[in-house]
Amino acid sequence: NAGVTQTPKFQVLKTGQSMTLQCAQDMNHNSMYWYRQDPGMGLRLIYYSASEGTTDKGEVPNGYNVSRLNKREFSLRLESAAPSQTSVYFCASSELFTSGSGNTIYFGEGSWLTVV
Amino acid sequence: GENVEQHPSTLSVQEGDSAVIKCTYSDSASNYFPWYKQELGKRPQLIIDIRSNVGEKKDQRIAVTLNKTAKHFSLHITETQPEDSAVYFCAASMRGTDKLIFGTGTRLQVFP
Repeated sequence: NAGVTQTPKFQVLKTGQSMTLQCAQDMNHNSMYWYRQDPGMGLRLIYYSASEGTTDKGEVPNGYNVSRLNKREFSLRLESAAPSQTSVYFCASSELFTSGSGNTIYFGEGSWLTVV
Repeated sequence: GENVEQHPSTLSVQEGDSAVIKCTYSDSASNYFPWYKQELGKRPQLIIDIRSNVGEKKDQRIAVTLNKTAKHFSLHITETQPEDSAVYFCAASMRGTDKLIFGTGTRLQVFP
């Protein structure tokens, strides 16, 4: 049981290049997330997927696209990378609590992305 | 929009002392409040959480209190140890969803 796995762990991109961050979870969770973490800014939600086939914007979606390929996988794409997208990216998953409120979010190990 | 404010941003304590981190949230419909600990270079991991129908929850040396009227919740760590040194994040659920809004984090340093 690996939990949430994401790749790559480290990546350096040139401005204008594109790339996709891959994420998979083996906990049979319905909800999946992409967060970015910047110094002093905490964890900010980029995109969210409540179930296969659905996605929703978070706090900072501009410059990103996502795909919920199936229940296990949720990818994040940067179409034209910018230096402002230099960050640590965390994929995460959770199961909706029975009463409809939040539940424990499990994070992947993070992807360190530098855009030069 | 919804937001979560967290204070202080840094906190230094002597080993054995207590540490308190405070958060306020804006969405009165928030009903789930977890706390995450993140060690350097690692992923955030849940250490304790509380739901809106509970005022206080304790797990060994850590406890969380919730004041729904004031929209405040706090993390209390007693008898701090050097291994408690990390960044701590509070979070609150967004109304009717399992999405979380995180605070900006508190860097706790425990000196031997």
